[in-house]
Amino acid sequence: DAGVTQSPTHLIKTRGQHVTLRCSPISGHKSVSWYQQVLGQGPQFIFQYYEKEERGRGNFPDRFSARQFPNYSSELNVNALLLGDSALYLCASSPWSGDEKLFFGSGTQLSVL
Amino acid sequence: GESVGLHLPTLSVQEGDNSIINCAYSNSASDYFIWYKQESGKGPQFIIDIRSNMDKRQGQRVTVLLNKTVKHLSLQIAATQPGDSAVYFCAENSRNTGGFKTIFGAGTRLFVKA
Repeated sequence: DAGVTQSPTHLIKTRGQHVTLRCSPISGHKSVSWYQQVLGQGPQFIFQYYEKEERGRGNFPDRFSARQFPNYSSELNVNALLLGDSALYLCASSPWSGDEKLFFGSGTQLSVL
Repeated sequence: GESVGLHLPTLSVQEGDNSIINCAYSNSASDYFIWYKQESGKGPQFIIDIRSNMDKRQGQRVTVLLNKTVKHLSLQIAATQPGDSAVYFCAENSRNTGGFKTIFGAGTRLFVKA
């Protein structure tokens, strides 16, 4: 079975641009979460979606948004990119919304110049 | 507040020795804890979990201990191997309305010397 897949794997943008990152969960998993991981730190929670509804939001500005599609895949959008948005963006899926362990993709490495 | 921290940023052990990675958490209401392993270029990978109604759980070569009195977690790896070299994160699940979020600590990098 395929694991969590993310695209693209690497991305370079300039300040002020916007970016869309994509994630496909493990088949049968209905919950998708997004995390930002800055080099040398642990992942920071951005969003959780379950059954296409936002179920949780971390402490990130409104420039960050996400959505989940009927097939449970998800997109993370970041507008007006700042240098500080440079990070590894991780997507994780889990079977349902509850006390769950997460299954992570390999992430999208975003560099903002 | 919500935070999960680690006592040591790096740990170096000899191959074959046992490793112990420690973690402190601050949310006394947390009831589910997880250890993840992250290798270079990959996302975190689930190792073992424990619920707050337990104080010990064993897996294959790994054991997690939970001390709720002092809000402390530890991960023990038996007979550490070179393939265990990675960054290890403790994490706690915090519930919100209809969902949850996982709060990660900063991580401990484990080096295994051959």
